[in-house]
Amino acid sequence: QQQVKQSPQSLIVQKGGISIINCAYENTAFDYFPWYQQFPGKGPALLIAIRPDVSEKKEGRFTISFNKSAKQFSLHIMDSQPGDSATYFCAASVTGGGNKLTFGTGTQLKVEL
Amino acid sequence: DTAVSQTPKYLVTQMGNDKSIKCEQNLGHDTMYWYKQDSKKFLKIMFSYNNKELIINETVPNRFSPKSPDKAHLNLHINSLELGDSAVYFCASSPRSNWGTEAFFGQGTRLTVV
Repeated sequence: QQQVKQSPQSLIVQKGGISIINCAYENTAFDYFPWYQQFPGKGPALLIAIRPDVSEKKEGRFTISFNKSAKQFSLHIMDSQPGDSATYFCAASVTGGGNKLTFGTGTQLKVEL
Repeated sequence: DTAVSQTPKYLVTQMGNDKSIKCEQNLGHDTMYWYKQDSKKFLKIMFSYNNKELIINETVPNRFSPKSPDKAHLNLHINSLELGDSAVYFCASSPRSNWGTEAFFGQGTRLTVV
């Protein structure tokens, strides 16, 4: 059972464009929603995270939008750059759940010149 | 200074062998994890330790045995390796285990079973 569904599987964006990756979750107990970025041959690294008490969080060019009623959250990358080309994972965890991260299936982003 | 370091980075071995992967973190974190990333890049938690105590065991075959000699180290021993064990194994750590917080991942160990 895939508790966090992520789309699209892959995404090609032109330099300067907006990249949008969507995730949907089923477990209403989830209360921490991070996004991780992974480059080839490296481990995932935290990009940005949100808790359900806010609907949006912005850090530089990266924004998370969160819709609690729809059980959906998304990552927006503004002014996408070739250096943003990586695999992006959404994730979710539950307070008291040992910080166990349940990951989405990943989105491979390629930003073209 | 590497925050979470794993050794080896690559491991090629034959079916039936026993192998270990070592992990060390110098962040002073209380909690450490093992995650498995399969060929489709799907990441799934295997184990979690908090101050040397096992707190998460995600129905992993008992051929996999984690060991935490102290809170800075979490090793993974795998017995009787099978072809399906081929994957990238990531060690991670975080400062506390009760609520959501950043997990710091190592560079991964690519295990290939032939």
